Amino acid sequence: GAVVSQHPSRVICKSGTSVKIECRSLDFQATTMFWYRQFPKQSLMLMATSNEGSKATYEQGVEKDKFLINHASLTLSTLTVTSAHPEDSSFYICSAPDTGSEAFFGQGTRLTVV
Amino acid sequence: DAKTTQPTSMDCAEGRAANLPCNHSTISGNEYVYWYRQIHSQGPQYIIHGLKNNETNEMASLIITEDRKSSTLILPHATLRDTAVYYCIVRVGHQAGTALIFGKGTTLSVSS
Repeated sequence: GAVVSQHPSRVICKSGTSVKIECRSLDFQATTMFWYRQFPKQSLMLMATSNEGSKATYEQGVEKDKFLINHASLTLSTLTVTSAHPEDSSFYICSAPDTGSEAFFGQGTRLTVV
Repeated sequence: DAKTTQPTSMDCAEGRAANLPCNHSTISGNEYVYWYRQIHSQGPQYIIHGLKNNETNEMASLIITEDRKSSTLILPHATLRDTAVYYCIVRVGHQAGTALIFGKGTTLSVSS
C-alpha cells in the first residue's frame, strides 16, 4: 500500500527555537496533505490542510504564523513550529489521501520543547 | 459528517473475537462508515470501510445494520498487537480535499 514517511520521529528543542517536520508521500502524489496534533490521552485534532502550490488553510484557533506550512511539491509538505514553547510539545501527525479509498498517515513526530 | 458514538474502552482476551460497536444514527445515505486504529505513539492505520453491505478483509469484518444507524467492527481472533484506539468515522467517501475528523474512539485492550 501507499506509504507516507514523516521525519523526524522524535525531536527535542529549546524554547524559542524553530523545528521543521517533513511529510513525504513515497509512492504517490498528494496535492493535499493534512496536519494533526495529538496531546496525551486525547484524539487527533486537525490543525491545517496543506495545498500544493497554494496557501495552507488553518483550523480555527491554530496560529498560521506559528505553524508554518509549505507544500512545495506533490510529494512533500513541511510543518515548521516557530518559536516553540513547552505548550507546543505534542505528537504531530501528517496524512495524505490517495486517489483510492483510504487515507495514509505518517508515523508521527514527538516534539518536546524544553 | 455524521457524528459517531463509541464506548470509551473495551477488554478482550487474546484469541477471542473483539466486537467494537459504533452508533451513527444521523448517517446520511451517501456517507460511508470508516474504521481506523492507532497503536500507541504511531500514526492511524486504515482498517476497513463500507456503505451498507457487510465487508471483510484480511484485518477485520464490518457489520452494518440494515438501517445503517450502527455498525460493528469485528476482529475475529484478537492478538496482543491489536491493542489500540479504534476510531469509527462517518463521511462522504474518500475525497482527497477533505480531512478525516477523529472522535475519541474506543481503547481496546487485549490481554493474555
